[in-house]
Amino acid sequence: QSVLTQPPSVSAAPGQKVTISCSGDDSNIGTNHVSWYQHLPGAAPKLLIYDYTERPSGIPDRFSGSKSDTSATLGITGLQTGDEGDYYCGTWDSGLDAYVFGSGTTVAVL
Amino acid sequence: QVHLQESGPGLVKSSQTLSLSCNVSGDSISSRDHYWSWVRRPPGKGLEWIGSIYYSGSVYYSPSLKSRITISVDTSRDQFALKMMSVTTADTALYYCARVRVSITGTTQFETWGQGVMVTVSS
Repeated sequence: QSVLTQPPSVSAAPGQKVTISCSGDDSNIGTNHVSWYQHLPGAAPKLLIYDYTERPSGIPDRFSGSKSDTSATLGITGLQTGDEGDYYCGTWDSGLDAYVFGSGTTVAVL
Repeated sequence: QVHLQESGPGLVKSSQTLSLSCNVSGDSISSRDHYWSWVRRPPGKGLEWIGSIYYSGSVYYSPSLKSRITISVDTSRDQFALKMMSVTTADTALYYCARVRVSITGTTQFETWGQGVMVTVSS
C-alpha cells in the first residue's frame, strides 16, 4: 500500500485530455518535489515531469504537472494510442526516509 | 549520453541470494550530482524503490527491505550492485537500475533508467 494515492485507471478518446492525481501528505508531497514517470509495456520507465512542473528535454508539452498543498496532478492533452501504459508519481518521504512511488495509474485510449 | 545496463541471473531459488550489477557508461559513477538506484516492479504491481547509493558509499535503503539488502558501488569500474538475501517468490520482479539527480533544493529525479532484468524466484 503506497503512501501516495493515485486512481487505478483513467481513459479518454484520442485527442482528448486526461488528468491523474497523486495524493500524499506533509511528509512527502507537501515538503519534497514530485516527479512523474511513464512506464509503457516492454519499455523502461521514463521521467516525464520533475520538480512538480518541469519537463526534461525531449518531453512534449502535451505533458504537464501541477501541485496544490499535498497533492500533485499530471495532465496529458492530445491523447495518443502511444500514451497507453502506466503512470507513477514519486517523491522523497521525509518521515519514512525513503523514496516512494505512487500506486500507479493505467491510461487507456478508447 | 549515459547508458545503464543491468546484468545477473534470471532465475534464483527461494531462500538464496539475488545478485545484480549495473554497468554505467557515458558518465562517471563518481558524479557529485547523482545517486545510483535500484527499483523493481513485480508482475501485476507497481514500481517499488529498493535503495540508492552515492559514489562515496553513502546509502539509503527501503525500510521494508533493508534487513535483506546490500547496495555497493565500485567507482573503478563504474558499476554498482544489489544483493538481496533470503529471497522468496514475492521478490520475483523486473529489476531496474537508475541514475538519480538529487539537489539541495529537494529535487529527486530518476532521470535515466536501464532496460531492466527479469528475475524469477523459484520455490
